[in-house]
Amino acid sequence: KAGVTQTPRYLIKTRGQQVTLSCSPISGHRSVSWYQQTPGQGLQFLFEYFSETQRNKGNFPGRFSGRQFSNSRSEMNVSTLELGDSALYLCASSPPGIRETEAFFGQGTRLTVV
Amino acid sequence: AQSVAQPEDQVNVAEGNPLTVKCTYSVSGNPYLFWYVQYPNRGLQFLLKYITGDNLVKGSYGFEAEFNKSQTSFHLKKPSALVSDSALYFCAGRGSSNTGKLIFGQGTTLQVKP
Repeated sequence: KAGVTQTPRYLIKTRGQQVTLSCSPISGHRSVSWYQQTPGQGLQFLFEYFSETQRNKGNFPGRFSGRQFSNSRSEMNVSTLELGDSALYLCASSPPGIRETEAFFGQGTRLTVV
Repeated sequence: AQSVAQPEDQVNVAEGNPLTVKCTYSVSGNPYLFWYVQYPNRGLQFLLKYITGDNLVKGSYGFEAEFNKSQTSFHLKKPSALVSDSALYFCAGRGSSNTGKLIFGQGTTLQVKP
């Protein structure tokens, strides 16, 4: 079974630009969550999508947004990039109806803002 | 507010010695607790979880963890450390009603020396 796939693996963007990251969950998984990992703040929850609806949201500004498609693939978008948005962005998927299961993480997208 | 704490930034052990990586939690209701490991420039790999039942949980690669409700702790242990265990370890938790949002500890770097 293929794991969680995140594309691209690496990105370099300029301040003020916007960026879109993609996540393909494990087949059959309908919940997709996004996390930001930085050396200073650690791993922070961005948002979770389930069946194309945002189910949970973390404490990030409105520049961070996401969506989920009918095939459960998810994208997150960051507009008006700031230097502080440089981070590893991790996506995780979980199967439906099994609340006790663990989340499965992708390899991440390393975003560098210059 | 819910939180997970890992009091040690780094743990150093000699190969062959037992290791412990500490984690304490403050999660509402019955907590679901997880340990993940991260190698450089990689995503998170699941090690083990506590949902309910036995307080001693066994996981991948010889790791185990002990859930202690009175001390609100979930320490990761291994009887005999390997150099290849050197990595960044994260403890994470969530409430039973919050399926997608994981709260992570700050991470502990485990260094196993030959």
